[in-house]
Amino acid sequence: GEDVEQSLFLSVREGDSSVINCTYTDSSSTYLYWYKQEPGAGLQLLTYIFSNMDMKQDQRLTVLLNKKDKHLSLRIADTQTGDSAIYFCAETYSGGYQKVTFGIGTKLQVIP
Amino acid sequence: SQTIHQWPATLVQPVGSPLSLECTVEGTSNPNLYWYRQAAGRGLQLLFYSVGIGQISSEVPQNLSASRPQDRQFILSSKKLLLSDSGFYLCAWSVGGGGEQYFGPGTRLTVT
Repeated sequence: GEDVEQSLFLSVREGDSSVINCTYTDSSSTYLYWYKQEPGAGLQLLTYIFSNMDMKQDQRLTVLLNKKDKHLSLRIADTQTGDSAIYFCAETYSGGYQKVTFGIGTKLQVIP
Repeated sequence: SQTIHQWPATLVQPVGSPLSLECTVEGTSNPNLYWYRQAAGRGLQLLFYSVGIGQISSEVPQNLSASRPQDRQFILSSKKLLLSDSGFYLCAWSVGGGGEQYFGPGTRLTVT
């Protein structure tokens, strides 16, 4: 079955870049996502990438996809204290009802 | 624009009591609807999904049930709560291709 793995915790200093990594197992994945969850809130879709892309940039966010290694990363440039949250990697595949498989989430702590 | 509502925001219920959590979506038609549970601030577990009125699929056997009486209304219920039902319950919707999901603010359920 599908599986998405992430490290649990990342700590960075304000102004540095953050890199959150994710690996997945389903080779038929067609879309990969990054969601952000602030304390006590629902998940917010940050960005997504199609499986036929290698990179996607959106302001401070850069998503890199290595399809051969099934590895996805999210880079946040100039990390701010407001970026402190849990970041979820997720995947889905075409067909069916768009079931999304989420990772366990990486807690990003930004130190002022 | 689309919005998603969940209520109540927090709930404390004794073991053995019934449960009803409601989710409604505005600004879209025929969305796919989802109920997730998030325990201990981590990992999302898909509980139910629905692709249309009266169409409910269960992902995990449990003492919870879901119903979709209207196109944009999704209800999570239980006849008798267990301690293990405590958690953060998230409703989400999606529509069209890509599978991007949009989450409600969540309901924090504590079973005592």
